[in-house]
Amino acid sequence: AQSVTQPDIHITVSEGASLELRCNYSYGATPYLFWYVQSPGQGLQLLLKYFSGDTLVQGIKGFEAEFKRSQSSFNLRKPSVHWSDAAEYFCAVGTASGGSYIPTFGRGTSLIVHP
Amino acid sequence: DVKVTQSSRYLVKRTGEKVFLECVQDMDHENMFWYRQDPGLGLRLIYFSYDVKMKEKGDIPEGYSVSREKKERFSLILESASTNQTSMYLCASTPGGGGAGETQYFGPGTRLLVL
Repeated sequence: AQSVTQPDIHITVSEGASLELRCNYSYGATPYLFWYVQSPGQGLQLLLKYFSGDTLVQGIKGFEAEFKRSQSSFNLRKPSVHWSDAAEYFCAVGTASGGSYIPTFGRGTSLIVHP
Repeated sequence: DVKVTQSSRYLVKRTGEKVFLECVQDMDHENMFWYRQDPGLGLRLIYFSYDVKMKEKGDIPEGYSVSREKKERFSLILESASTNQTSMYLCASTPGGGGAGETQYFGPGTRLLVL
């Protein structure tokens, strides 16, 4: 079965600093990979996703993620963080199992932005 | 834009009450999902539905049931609410037919408190 690990429960950065949120997955083949963001009190919104092609994927709000097959990783990055980026970030893996397509979510990383 | 709405943002119920959480999507999506979200545990799938009147158990179906009488509406039912069902409940939908790469569209969530 597939699994997703987000090793950092909380990350604190200063506004304007760069950001990297880690995500590792376990799956036999190349899965669909997603990053979602959840602003306080809201549902989740897709930031970006990857399946094939260029391993560096651009998303909304200035985020990007890089797929590294050798490391089974799909880390999310942003060069300069804004205070409005404070949120919960979820990495997810989409795979097929028994005819159903159910994503598996990581436990999330909470981003705190200091002014 | 896809819109997923949930009937209540906040709900307070008593132990033993029957609770209905409603979710409606307006984009003719085939698949709908119910998750619960708890701190440190991420999103856990309760039930999902890939067609009207069809339902499948997720990872934590115990104590819950669902109903999908119309394509756009997916209801989560707590037959007899208990305090350990205090949580944030998120509804999501996907178009269907796109396999494991489909984006999930989330509602804003219902925060349920069971006293």
